Amino acid sequence: AQSVSQHNHHVILSEAASLELGCNYSYGGTVNLFWYVQYPGQHLQLLLKYFSGDPLVKGIKGFEAEFIKSKFSFNLRKPSVQWSDTAEYFCAVYGNNRLAFGKGNQVVVIP
Amino acid sequence: EAGVTQFPSHSVIEKGQTVTLRCDPISGHDNLYWYRRVMGKEIKFLLHFVKESKQDESGMPNNRFLAERTGGTYSTLKVQPAELEDSGVYFCASSQFPPPTDTQYFGPGTRLTVL
Repeated sequence: AQSVSQHNHHVILSEAASLELGCNYSYGGTVNLFWYVQYPGQHLQLLLKYFSGDPLVKGIKGFEAEFIKSKFSFNLRKPSVQWSDTAEYFCAVYGNNRLAFGKGNQVVVIP
Repeated sequence: EAGVTQFPSHSVIEKGQTVTLRCDPISGHDNLYWYRRVMGKEIKFLLHFVKESKQDESGMPNNRFLAERTGGTYSTLKVQPAELEDSGVYFCASSQFPPPTDTQYFGPGTRLTVL
């Protein structure tokens, strides 16, 4: 069965700081990877996804993620965060007809 | 286009009672998924419908949980009788096709509290 590990579950940073959230996955099949975000009071929404091609994926709101097959990683990055990026971020891998999520990263951006 | 909707948004019940959660997927989406997040843990898969058929219910915790999708439109998830450990947020998601062809779109979730 597939699984995802996310570290640093609580991250606090100031506006304009850079953000990197780690994601490591375990799955033996074809890899389809996702980052979802849940803003306060809102539903989960897709930030970006990778299933083939360029391992550097660009998503919405200036986020990007890099798939590194040799490291089983799909880390999320944003060069300069804003207060509105305060949210919980989830990495997920699709396989066996389901998404498997990590525990999430609670990110708080201080103005 | 309306998104995935879930009802109710919150439910507080006592142990032993029955609760039914509803999910309305995006119109035309044949694939419907239920997930659950228990506090402090990851979001976990419960089951997957394709139209009205259960494709995979291997994530259902036990036989106190019953999911249906009559007519292949909305789905219900009934918990009977509810236990304390059933508390959490229940998410529904839908897609026209499975990933990677399509993306799963999530509803806002139903927060269930069992006292």
